[in-house]
Amino acid sequence: NAGVTQTPKFRILKIGQSMTLQCTQDMNHNYMYWYRQDPGMGLKLIYYSVGAGITDKGEVPNGYNVSRSTTEDFPLRLELAAPSQTSVYFCASSYQTGYTEAFFGQGTRLTVV
Amino acid sequence: AQKITQTQPGMFVQEKEAVTLDCTYDTSDPSYGLFWYKQPSSGEMIFLIYQGSYDQQNATEGRYSLNFQKARKSANLVISASQLGDSAMYFCAMREGGESNYQLIWGAGTKLIIKP
Repeated sequence: NAGVTQTPKFRILKIGQSMTLQCTQDMNHNYMYWYRQDPGMGLKLIYYSVGAGITDKGEVPNGYNVSRSTTEDFPLRLELAAPSQTSVYFCASSYQTGYTEAFFGQGTRLTVV
Repeated sequence: AQKITQTQPGMFVQEKEAVTLDCTYDTSDPSYGLFWYKQPSSGEMIFLIYQGSYDQQNATEGRYSLNFQKARKSANLVISASQLGDSAMYFCAMREGGESNYQLIWGAGTKLIIKP
């Protein structure tokens, strides 16, 4: 029962560096999402995907890119990391959109210094 | 304006007591869904319960129930017979509109601590 798996769990980046947060799910879900959670706040949607090859921006997409080459994988790319991107990042997937629940990974705690 | 408001930043509750976590929402869309998630200290988000705007009855899932008062735009989570393992952050979230809207709007959360 792997569900949604994110790697790495923790990462420290220097300003200007780049990295990719990996996300994979084994539930054959079409819908996948990337959220960020800032301290004391709820989650905000960065990008989402409705299927392989299809992605779209969420509420806070600036500074990030995504791709969806397979149903299972939905990596999030940070280019030119900035201190404002210090956050906890969650990947999630769902079988449908609308009113079904999403399943979340355990999160990646990213610090940009 | 905040779309999801959770007014209790933190709560302490005695073990085995019932607890109500408040959530009010703001939307003009007649079609929406409300979710509650639990985030334990390990960090993952765990789905607890869902209520649709057209659902006639309050949702229940085991010890969790949702006190849905549509006219007041509130969707409070009730946990019966609280347990030490219920200590966590709890988030209320809303999705507006139809199935083409993918975005969940989240509240700031309530930190619940169960005392033995």
